[in-house]
Amino acid sequence: KAGVTQTPRYLIKTRGQQVTLSCSPISGHRSVSWYQQTPGQGLQFLFEYFSETQRNKGNFPGRFSGRQFSNSRSEMNVSTLELGDSALYLCASSLSQMGDEQFFGPGTRLTVL
Amino acid sequence: AQSVSQHNHHVILSEAASLELGCNYSYGGTVNLFWYVQYPGQHLQLLLKYFSGDPLVKGIKGFEAEFIKSKFSFNLRKPSVQWSDTAEYFCAVNANSNYQLIWGAGTKLIIKP
Repeated sequence: KAGVTQTPRYLIKTRGQQVTLSCSPISGHRSVSWYQQTPGQGLQFLFEYFSETQRNKGNFPGRFSGRQFSNSRSEMNVSTLELGDSALYLCASSLSQMGDEQFFGPGTRLTVL
Repeated sequence: AQSVSQHNHHVILSEAASLELGCNYSYGGTVNLFWYVQYPGQHLQLLLKYFSGDPLVKGIKGFEAEFIKSKFSFNLRKPSVQWSDTAEYFCAVNANSNYQLIWGAGTKLIIKP
């Protein structure tokens, strides 16, 4: 069974630009969660989608948004990039419930210059 | 707000030493508890989890964790570590009615051969 895939793996953007990251969950998984990982901060929860609906959202500004498609693939978008948005963005998929094991992708490394 | 504290950011041990990594959370209700591990160059993966029942849970590779409700703790243990246990370990907590995981900042474990 193929794992969680994320594209692109690396991105370099400049302040003020916007970016879209993509995540393809494991086949059959309907829940997709997004996290921001920075050194010393652990993983900060961005949002979680299930069946195209956002079920929960973390404490991030409105510049961070996401969506999920009918095939469970998900995208997240960050508009008006700031230097502080430089991080590893991780996507995780699970079968359905929050307590299910989450399977992580390799992440997208975003650098904002 | 919920939070998760991992007491040690860096731990260095020799092979065969015993390991205990601390994890405390702040939430008074029912929780699901997780330990994830990230080996160098690999994705985050589940080490073990606690939902209910026996507070001593066993995971992969000889790891175990004990849930002590009165102390709001879920410490990870291994009686004898190996060089291959070098990794970053994350504790995560999910409140039963919530669709997000709250993560600790992680503990980097280095095992000296």
